[in-house]
Amino acid sequence: GIQVEQSPPDLILQEGANSTLRCNFSDSVNNLQWFHQNPWGQLINLFYIPSGTKQNGRLSATTVATERYSLLYISSSQTTDSGVYFCAPSSGNTPLVFGKGTRLSVIA
Amino acid sequence: ETGVTQSPTHLIKTRGQQVTLRCSSQSGHNTVSWYQQALGQGPQFIFQYYREEENGRGNFPPRFSGLQFPNYSSELNVNALELDDSALYLCASSPGWGSYNEQFFGPGTRLTVL
Repeated sequence: GIQVEQSPPDLILQEGANSTLRCNFSDSVNNLQWFHQNPWGQLINLFYIPSGTKQNGRLSATTVATERYSLLYISSSQTTDSGVYFCAPSSGNTPLVFGKGTRLSVIA
Repeated sequence: ETGVTQSPTHLIKTRGQQVTLRCSSQSGHNTVSWYQQALGQGPQFIFQYYREEENGRGNFPPRFSGLQFPNYSSELNVNALELDDSALYLCASSPGWGSYNEQFFGPGTRLTVL
């Protein structure tokens, strides 16, 4: 099945800083979603982005399907951005496959 | 529009017992998927239900079973609980069974097995 690798595993930022999270995957995909998991465990949909670039406020994402990676950009980070960020692609009719996540801590 | 809901929020069971977790899908969604998330790991796919039939299964033993009802709500049943079944159980709904459909997750049920 598809393999997913996220980097970095952990990230500590000062409030206001920018960051880039990376997701590499091993196969062609027809779905890729980015999620933010809050401290209570809720997975919040950030982007549905099997290809191309999308922006939503301070967040943006780019997936380059031909090179098998996706990037999540967080600008002007806030303490509420803390949590774990997951990338989850799927290919064919397989379910979403989650990476191990990037744990982000934003310090005031 | 109502999002995905799950019940109960938390549950404590002892080894060998059986448990049933429940999920109501988002309005207009006919597909439900269940995931298990162990501490410090990403969610792992258990199985998916589409129109009341199991439509795919991950690497979980048969003591993990499920149901989907005509209103598209779903149950996850786990028999003969083991300590390693302690995890956050997440339900996701989507508007169709194809993997290209965006999935939306509920808040999860945290199961502790003692």
